[in-house]
Amino acid sequence: ETGVTQTPRHLVMGMTNKKSLKCEQHLGHNAMYWYKQSAKKPLELMFVYNFKEQTENNSVPSRFSPECPNSSHLFLHLHTLQPEDSALYLCASSQQSGEKLFFGSGTQLSVL
Amino acid sequence: SQQGEEDPQALSIQEGENATMNCSYKTSINNLQWYRQNSGRGLVHLILIRSNEREKHSGRLRVTLDTSKKSSSLLITASRAADTASYFCATDASAAGNKLTFGGGTRVLVKP
Repeated sequence: ETGVTQTPRHLVMGMTNKKSLKCEQHLGHNAMYWYKQSAKKPLELMFVYNFKEQTENNSVPSRFSPECPNSSHLFLHLHTLQPEDSALYLCASSQQSGEKLFFGSGTQLSVL
Repeated sequence: SQQGEEDPQALSIQEGENATMNCSYKTSINNLQWYRQNSGRGLVHLILIRSNEREKHSGRLRVTLDTSKKSSSLLITASRAADTASYFCATDASAAGNKLTFGGGTRVLVKP
């Protein structure tokens, strides 16, 4: 148990669906992150929030829309995804940028 | 290209043997971190070594850092079947805006 909880663990969606991934951290951290992990590719940073403010959008397509309503919760809203978006989506938090990350267990997403 | 690159990409050893993997990076760093990932799960932080440190230990793990060569190594001593996982290095560099950049990982298989 890392203190970072992600739901759902698995998600299968069609290209026309809208779904959301949820992340919650119970560690009192100030920074939260979304990472994408595809097969045979390094972990890709998607979004960074510091003190609820988005500080990084790593050229992510607009079909991925993050939301950080407070410092403990982070969402990733998904719509009109493509099959190549199938991947493991990982949420992480840290006390501050550059320090050690605490990861959730991830959401394994399959887009059909 | 990515900041951290691990070598080898895959490693197979017998239980009880030592496992060594290396990470090379390109720009000056503030710290370098090692993470472990079991298949399809989130990453777990192992060790953080700062740029002014040369060696760190944690249980059966030993990490070295050579900033002149821009490289780090992770040694797992007396390996166990439970050490089977992927191991990633991640660098925190000011040039990257203090965001952790991950390498592609080393897949370690420890055979009983």
